Amino acid sequence: DAKTTQPTSMDCAEGRAANLPCNHSTISGNEYVYWYRQIHSQGPQYIIHGLKNNETNEMASLIITEDRKSSTLILPHATLRDTAVYYCIVRSSNAGNMLTFGGGTRLMVKP
Amino acid sequence: DGGITQSPKYLFRKEGQNVTLSCEQNLNHDAMYWYRQDPGQGLRLIYYSQIVNDFQKGDIAEGYSVSREKKESFPLTVTSAQKNPTAFYLCASSIRLIDGYTFGSGTRLTVV
Repeated sequence: DAKTTQPTSMDCAEGRAANLPCNHSTISGNEYVYWYRQIHSQGPQYIIHGLKNNETNEMASLIITEDRKSSTLILPHATLRDTAVYYCIVRSSNAGNMLTFGGGTRLMVKP
Repeated sequence: DGGITQSPKYLFRKEGQNVTLSCEQNLNHDAMYWYRQDPGQGLRLIYYSQIVNDFQKGDIAEGYSVSREKKESFPLTVTSAQKNPTAFYLCASSIRLIDGYTFGSGTRLTVV
């Protein structure tokens, strides 16, 4: 699976959009981009995933560049409860490929 | 409501003792996983199971054992051979290996 690069930490003001970047320059054609988040001392929570089209659900939007080498997770109106570690994961659709969690981005939403 | 349950939330054991962590799901998922997380680190895969009576080693299986006798249950035993067992252990499940995962709330194991 392709590796990902994320900033170690980011701050965001409450009510503003949080834009979390992820680089995955070695991504291959059958690899999906997944985003999970982990609030302190809890299990990770699935947010969204996509292949090449932009995706949106009730939690967030995922913007994938045309060359698929990077993506951005957007939380449109961040709240204090969105403070968490956000993991960007690239994984192929082949059976036997597990989710591999790196260090993630620690997002701090401030009042 | 369907979900995945890990118990207990906190567990203390003496060094040299085996300990078993429970993971139960009622989501009718075929695949289940165990991850370990150390402070400030990402998750590392210990074992996974695609189907009942089948399981595979992950990246850090040494010192751990699992069983998958029922679809709903995937217990993890931390044996005395695991050199640094103190960690946060997370269980997850998915419909299939390629699907998104649902995680439990974790068990924090402390070995003294």
